[in-house]
Amino acid sequence: AQTVTQSQPEMSVQEAETVTLSCTYDTSESNYYLFWYKQPPSRQMILVIRQEAYKQQNATENRFSVNFQKAAKSFSLKISDSQLGDTAMYFCALGAGGGNKLTFGTGTQLKVEL
Amino acid sequence: EAQVTQNPRYLITVTGKKLTVTCSQNMNHEYMSWYRQDPGLGLRQIYYSMNVEVTDKGDVPEGYKVSRKEKRNFPLILESPSPNQTSLYFCASSLSRQGGTQYFGPGTRLLVL
Repeated sequence: AQTVTQSQPEMSVQEAETVTLSCTYDTSESNYYLFWYKQPPSRQMILVIRQEAYKQQNATENRFSVNFQKAAKSFSLKISDSQLGDTAMYFCALGAGGGNKLTFGTGTQLKVEL
Repeated sequence: EAQVTQNPRYLITVTGKKLTVTCSQNMNHEYMSWYRQDPGLGLRQIYYSMNVEVTDKGDVPEGYKVSRKEKRNFPLILESPSPNQTSLYFCASSLSRQGGTQYFGPGTRLLVL
């Protein structure tokens, strides 16, 4: 069975500052993928970033980057130069095992303040 | 435009009245899935389909049915809804290979009275 844990239910950050959201996971699979999804107030699920576990290099997408620590089973998301539009719920997700199932964490509500 | 559509977006119903939530994708994806989102629980998989006529249970399948008669459509059926099925439902699709990025529909908010 796969598990994903997000231990920070809520976080806040000042505009233009940097914030890091934590995620740990557990799986017995050797081949898996990790994702961060953003859910703004519209409730739409938007892919932020994707990491392949067999790649050592951390994924980056503009202001978003991850710190993937495979041995520690940790997958944190760093948002640089935070913007008001980054205010959203952020979900960490693990894709492992048969098919293409995603196992989600419980989410971190991020609020970007002026 | 590549997208996943769901209908209806909002639905209020009563206990026991059968309902169907439709899901359609235009990306020729083999894999489709249904999730429900509840506060404090994240998203949990209900059912998934690897291709036409191939479906299987996810983590919380009780009280739900699905079918996959066409590649683009994957409806979710609640034959006898109960209040504990009040939730936000998402349909998603992707290529079938493991790790393929899943694209989500806009969500359907269901209230069962």
